[in-house]
Amino acid sequence: EPEVTQTPSHQVTQMGQEVILRCVPISNHLYFYWYRQILGQKVEFLVSFYNNEISEKSEIFDDQFSVERPDGSNFTLKIRSTKLEDSAMYFCASQGLGNQPQHFGDGTRLSIL
Amino acid sequence: QKEVEQNSGPLSVPEGAIASLNCTYSDRGSQSFFWYRQYSGKSPELIMFIYSNGDKEDGRFTAQLNKASQYVSLLIRDSQPSDSATYLCAVTGGNKLVFGAGTILRVKS
Repeated sequence: EPEVTQTPSHQVTQMGQEVILRCVPISNHLYFYWYRQILGQKVEFLVSFYNNEISEKSEIFDDQFSVERPDGSNFTLKIRSTKLEDSAMYFCASQGLGNQPQHFGDGTRLSIL
Repeated sequence: QKEVEQNSGPLSVPEGAIASLNCTYSDRGSQSFFWYRQYSGKSPELIMFIYSNGDKEDGRFTAQLNKASQYVSLLIRDSQPSDSATYLCAVTGGNKLVFGAGTILRVKS
């Protein structure tokens, strides 16, 4: 069964450094998402992406965050200057047409020191 | 603010029993409703989805939706120890998913 893949599985970064999280969505999917989950808390929406542009973003997704689909297969989340509070699991999800469910990758655990 | 509320649990049931998990949501405009299972440290795994009022069955799982009451539930029949996990209710708000905090289910053998 097709799956969403995320790399790396764990990223440790110094505060203030830039980090790029990578995702390969399911190949025929059109909608792409990033969510995050701080330890012990809810899964929170960050951003949705369709037709090569952001379709919706949350209050969390401020100017430090950006997303890109550079080559038609990868979907990346960049955090420009990381903060301690950015430490969380980051999940990529993709979705086909219509009301199809979103499928999640295994996540990247981001640890900011 | 669109909210999804779940009892955090833990809900403890004996092996072989029926586990009943509940969820309420605030946005009457929500169209699609999902149950995800999440093991500790892992990603959400889709269990069931439902779009219309009523029941939807898939194997040991039944999702129930009542839009008038803004209520979604998940029944797990013949519960197994491997069903022990956190169950996340999620509803659509536009295209994005709005998640509840999850209910911890413990199935005791």
